[in-house]
Amino acid sequence: QKEVEQNSGPLSVPEGAIASLNCTYSDRGSQSFFWYRQYSGKSPELIMSIYSNGDKEDGRFTAQLNKASQYVSLLIRDSQPSDSATYLCAAPNAGGTSYGKLTFGQGTILTVHP
Amino acid sequence: SQTIHQWPATLVQPVGSPLSLECTVEGTSNPNLYWYRQAAGRGLQLLFYSVGIGQISSEVPQNLSASRPQDRQFILSSKKLLLSDSGFYLCAWSWTGTRETQYFGPGTRLLVL
Repeated sequence: QKEVEQNSGPLSVPEGAIASLNCTYSDRGSQSFFWYRQYSGKSPELIMSIYSNGDKEDGRFTAQLNKASQYVSLLIRDSQPSDSATYLCAAPNAGGTSYGKLTFGQGTILTVHP
Repeated sequence: SQTIHQWPATLVQPVGSPLSLECTVEGTSNPNLYWYRQAAGRGLQLLFYSVGIGQISSEVPQNLSASRPQDRQFILSSKKLLLSDSGFYLCAWSWTGTRETQYFGPGTRLLVL
């Protein structure tokens, strides 16, 4: 079983819609979660981190964490074509902090069409 | 502020040739450092990580090696490249501590022919 799984996508939404990206993780002890955006041919860029149950908002982005369900999501409101990218979910490696090692999901490709 | 550099940006190498990729971080001291590989259309695979000078941990067996000769320098090497070594190599750093947030460099795209 993969430690971090993302909805496989690809996900296509019209401009202005809400894009919803989902991620589940297997380690109940995980305390922190990260969303990265990766444009084609570029390196991943951190867009959100979340450590507590509930919602965390940053501009058009909202991360949601539900530790009981081992589920973390990223909502992008008013999606723009510039949001088209691969979104990676990451959680600490199972077994503790392990020197800050992260496990990444396979990524969800998001396309926002005009 | 912190900055992470990688070079070269792209590299085309023949099978069997050696490899040396370099990563340096500015603006922080004693960072955790990581090397990842991303094959085309695939996820990120952690290759090596380091918590200090000379301290290297390998995540997967392979013909690659890593070294950390200075606090903010991380080098990925190979004596003989394989076709399967082609990919996008990413260096990342994080603060020592418990928050694990990693920040990536621009990457090196390697094509082995």
